[in-house]
Amino acid sequence: KQEVTQIPAALSVPEGENLVLNCSFTDSAIYNLQWFRQDPGKGLTSLLLIQSSQREQTSGRLNASLDKSSGRSTLYIAASQPGDSATYLCAVEDSGAGSYQLTFGKGTKLSVIP
Amino acid sequence: NAGVTQTPKFQVLKTGQSMTLQCAQDMNHNSMYWYRQDPGMGLRLIYYSASEGTTDKGEVPNGYNVSRLNKREFSLRLESAAPSQTSVYFCASSSGTGEFFGPGTRLTVL
Repeated sequence: KQEVTQIPAALSVPEGENLVLNCSFTDSAIYNLQWFRQDPGKGLTSLLLIQSSQREQTSGRLNASLDKSSGRSTLYIAASQPGDSATYLCAVEDSGAGSYQLTFGKGTKLSVIP
Repeated sequence: NAGVTQTPKFQVLKTGQSMTLQCAQDMNHNSMYWYRQDPGMGLRLIYYSASEGTTDKGEVPNGYNVSRLNKREFSLRLESAAPSQTSVYFCASSSGTGEFFGPGTRLTVL
């Protein structure tokens, strides 16, 4: 059974700092990996999707990398802002036939201090 | 283009009452999902529908039923609500290029 772990569970940084969030998964036979953001009391917003054949994806100040062989992904946030404060969730979609089910990590709660 | 919509946003039930959570998507996605999110437990899949006319159990299906009414709509029914079903429920849809989530329904069972 796929298991996804996110470390740290919480992170507090001063505004302007670059930071890295980590995600690891136990089964490397994945179809893709997705990073989400969740604000308090809200739904999940998709940030980046990396297909299994890709190494990284970028969107603005966000860069996500994927190393399937080691079962790891990182989300890099450049020049952090208070508006980046949220919980960041990593999810993997396993390979094989089916309906593209996701396995989620429990998230990293990020606080960016002005 | 509204994406994934859910109704209601909030609901309070008494133990034993029944209710249906509604979900609709306008992205022409084949697959739809129901998750619950609880503190310390993360997101857990309740049921999913790979395509119109099919449904399958996820990780925590007990106490729930689902209906894939058509390609757009996927409902979740609680036949006899229990306090353990107090949670935030999310509906999602996908076409294999990422999942998109609704805003959630916050359900309290007293």
